[in-house]
Amino acid sequence: EAGVAQSPRYKIIEKRQSVAFWCNPISGHATLYWYQQILGQGPKLLIQFQNNGVVDDSQLPKDRFSAERLKGVDSTLKIQPAKLEDSAVYLCASSLGGRIEQFFGPGTRLTVL
Amino acid sequence: AQRVTQPEKLLSVFKGAPVELKCNYSYSGSPELFWYVQYSRQRLQLLLRHISRESIKGFTADLNKGETSFHLKKPFAQEEDSAMYYCASNNYGQNFVFGPGTRLSVLP
Repeated sequence: EAGVAQSPRYKIIEKRQSVAFWCNPISGHATLYWYQQILGQGPKLLIQFQNNGVVDDSQLPKDRFSAERLKGVDSTLKIQPAKLEDSAVYLCASSLGGRIEQFFGPGTRLTVL
Repeated sequence: AQRVTQPEKLLSVFKGAPVELKCNYSYSGSPELFWYVQYSRQRLQLLLRHISRESIKGFTADLNKGETSFHLKKPFAQEEDSAMYYCASNNYGQNFVFGPGTRLSVLP
């Protein structure tokens, strides 16, 4: 089966600019996650969707980050405006449900200058 | 808030030696614990989860609620085990939490 797809793979922007990341989960997976992984740290959950509803966004900096999952399939994560500390790898993962195996995408490496 | 700790950033062992990667979690209840692995230039992937009680690639992990630990063990390390290992937990009503990771380097 095809895995989780993410684009772009790399993005370089200047601070205060906007950026968007796209994720296509594995077909049939109801749960979708966005993680932020800063260099040298483990992934940190930003937001979790169950179909097109938000299950948990407690760690999403809502003043600058937003995410949506229209129609319960693809998802986009947006940062507006970006800060230097947003430089990280943004990982998307999906699973059939919560608390079970997550399948990860390749990630998008964001560099904010 | 729930927390997962992995005290070693880097662990180096020789091929054939036993390996133990430590993981501790900070809360009570009935968490589900996982080990994820990331090999060089590959995606993060599940290695094993405590609920399945299985051995994957020779690795095992036992949940010790008394010590709040979920250490990953392998009796004889292989060079292909070199990777980044992340312990993770999920508790009802809490979000999914990853530890900071341990880089395992298996030397020839």
